[in-house]
Amino acid sequence: EVQLVESGGGLVKPGGSLRLSCAASGFTFSSYSLIWVRQAPGKGLEWLSSISGSSNYIYYADSVKGRFTISRDNAKNSLYLQMNSLRAEDTAVYYCARVGGDSYGYCFENWGQGTLVTVSS
Amino acid sequence: EIVLTQSPGTLSLSPGERATLSCRASQSISSSYLAWYQQKPGQAPRLLIYGASSRATGIPDRFSGSGSGTDFTLTISRLEPEDFAVYYCQQYGGSPLWTFGQGTKVEI
Repeated sequence: EVQLVESGGGLVKPGGSLRLSCAASGFTFSSYSLIWVRQAPGKGLEWLSSISGSSNYIYYADSVKGRFTISRDNAKNSLYLQMNSLRAEDTAVYYCARVGGDSYGYCFENWGQGTLVTVSS
Repeated sequence: EIVLTQSPGTLSLSPGERATLSCRASQSISSSYLAWYQQKPGQAPRLLIYGASSRATGIPDRFSGSGSGTDFTLTISRLEPEDFAVYYCQQYGGSPLWTFGQGTKVEI
């Protein structure tokens, strides 16, 4: 069974930093691209960043480019999101998800339960 | 940027009724790269449909997807109590790489 478990969320002051982790199990981790998506309170879903299995291809949404860094450790079956220069508008639940391949239209097949990040003074 | 617009914003129906949800793209997209998700309060989204019309593993056949070009539809043939949720469409391949619609809430 595919499992994705996020951790690392919490309360941080504006301008601060936080590192999110996503622990994966139940599949060959290095074979899949992974992504981060967030959802602000009462709002919709926003894709933030993606990373290929070998970390060769990394993409960011404009809203986080230059502030957030995605990475992965295939030996530890873990995905990370380093978030710097946090703003109040970054307050959201952050989800990691596994990306299906081309035959699945690069949809987000499996999701973690999410971790809440609150940016407030 | 490809914008996905979902309608209606809220759909008020009763169990047993048919639900028809629309997702319109600002420019033509490949149906291979159109997906639908269901999200219940306090839960992560769940993949329902990929490739515009293929059901994900374990999804009941009362859920179906259709469409092409700029117009896509998610249909729930007979609403069950557990189907009341928010539904999102999503596309891959534009700029940004992935975008979501704003969601349609199906409520009793």
